Amino acid sequence: AQKVTQAQTEISVVEKEDVTLDCVYETRDTTYYLFWYKQPPSGELVFLIRRNSFDEQNEISGRYSWNFQKSTSSFNFTITASQVVDSAVYFCALSEAGDYKLSFGAGTTVTVRA
Amino acid sequence: GAVVSQHPSWVICKSGTSVKIECRSLDFQATTMFWYRQFPKQSLMLMATSNEGSKATYEQGVEKDKFLINHASLTLSTLTVTSAHPEDSSFYICSARWDRYTDTQYFGPGTRLTVL
Repeated sequence: AQKVTQAQTEISVVEKEDVTLDCVYETRDTTYYLFWYKQPPSGELVFLIRRNSFDEQNEISGRYSWNFQKSTSSFNFTITASQVVDSAVYFCALSEAGDYKLSFGAGTTVTVRA
Repeated sequence: GAVVSQHPSWVICKSGTSVKIECRSLDFQATTMFWYRQFPKQSLMLMATSNEGSKATYEQGVEKDKFLINHASLTLSTLTVTSAHPEDSSFYICSARWDRYTDTQYFGPGTRLTVL
């Protein structure tokens, strides 16, 4: 069973628009960790954020923000005022406690047009 | 900090040959490294978990005799694709777990393997 679902395959926006990437996860563990990674065209994955299951506080980092809601098993990611450099594939991932293995979603390709 | 390197970044080889890919943690000791495989426009699939000084743990469906993993030190893990065939062509990515944040993995830049 797929543990992480990213329903949006591709999103295309014009520069300065906001874009929200959805991530829904599934786990039976009470302790788990959620991640977002960015994969630009170069291929290297860039770590963006880690959130543990006991911390539902939303987070903002510059133009990036994350909304974690355990009630809906979602961990959504918003890019505010998008820029061309934000064009990449974004992956949501889940790690269950004691396992440390990452289960990745299918990824969402974000294209920001100038 | 938390820099992971891979070598080579790309390799082209003939069918039947073996290819070794190195993964190094440059500024930290990694007790655990992971190897992933990514086909074009697809997600990352975990192949194996590599712990220093012990045998790698392979995911279901991954041939351990074909994908040999060695984790000889706290900063180096190697993946050898033995008797490579065109269907092994893929993007191979390693990651390392940094104990300071035990559940966060930092990824290498990947190795693109093309088997002719």
